[in-house]
Amino acid sequence: RKEVEQDPGPFNVPEGATVAFNCTYSNSASQSFFWYRQDCRKEPKLLMSVYSSGNEDGRFTAQLNRASQYISLLIRDSKLSDSATYLCVVNRGGSQGNLIFGKGTKLSVKP
Amino acid sequence: EPEVTQTPSHQVTQMGQEVILRCVPISNHLYFYWYRQILGQKVEFLVSFYNNEISEKSEIFDDQFSVERPDGSNFTLKIRSTKLEDSAMYFCASQQGAFEGLFFGSGTQLSVL
Repeated sequence: RKEVEQDPGPFNVPEGATVAFNCTYSNSASQSFFWYRQDCRKEPKLLMSVYSSGNEDGRFTAQLNRASQYISLLIRDSKLSDSATYLCVVNRGGSQGNLIFGKGTKLSVKP
Repeated sequence: EPEVTQTPSHQVTQMGQEVILRCVPISNHLYFYWYRQILGQKVEFLVSFYNNEISEKSEIFDDQFSVERPDGSNFTLKIRSTKLEDSAMYFCASQQGAFEGLFFGSGTQLSVL
């Protein structure tokens, strides 16, 4: 099983749509979970941390299921500017800064 | 908004040459990192640095690599004798507190010819 696994997409959605991304991770000792977005040939940008209780930031909602080792990201009311690759990121168990990145899910929002 | 700054944005070098990639982390951050991304592949951890020493490194970070924080602001990655397979985008990142999200610089695209 890959350390962090994501559907590569692409997800092609119209503006205003709701879209959900999923991610699974293999190391049960991981303690920190994040979603980053990456535009083509740019740096990863922190979108949000993911907490066990679930958390929301505007149009973005993240959920974590530790038992299933599963993380999700929901984007409501998609904007053209949401087009990017979304990276699921977890820390290597026992290490606070050694982050394992998924390959990412590509989202394309069309007018 | 404070940001991580990296220079140069592009570096072209000949195989076997030494390169130094430079970074200025966010000023009140305590943890510093180097990651790299080969074109089309995922972002990979190289090394973490805290309290003026390496706290962790990956198997990619072999004897050809070194890091230094020569003063209170700069954080550098040196590759002693570059190989073709070192060609990648190198990202510096910093973190304010343990287990928080990392903030990345815009990267240095290294091309080894």
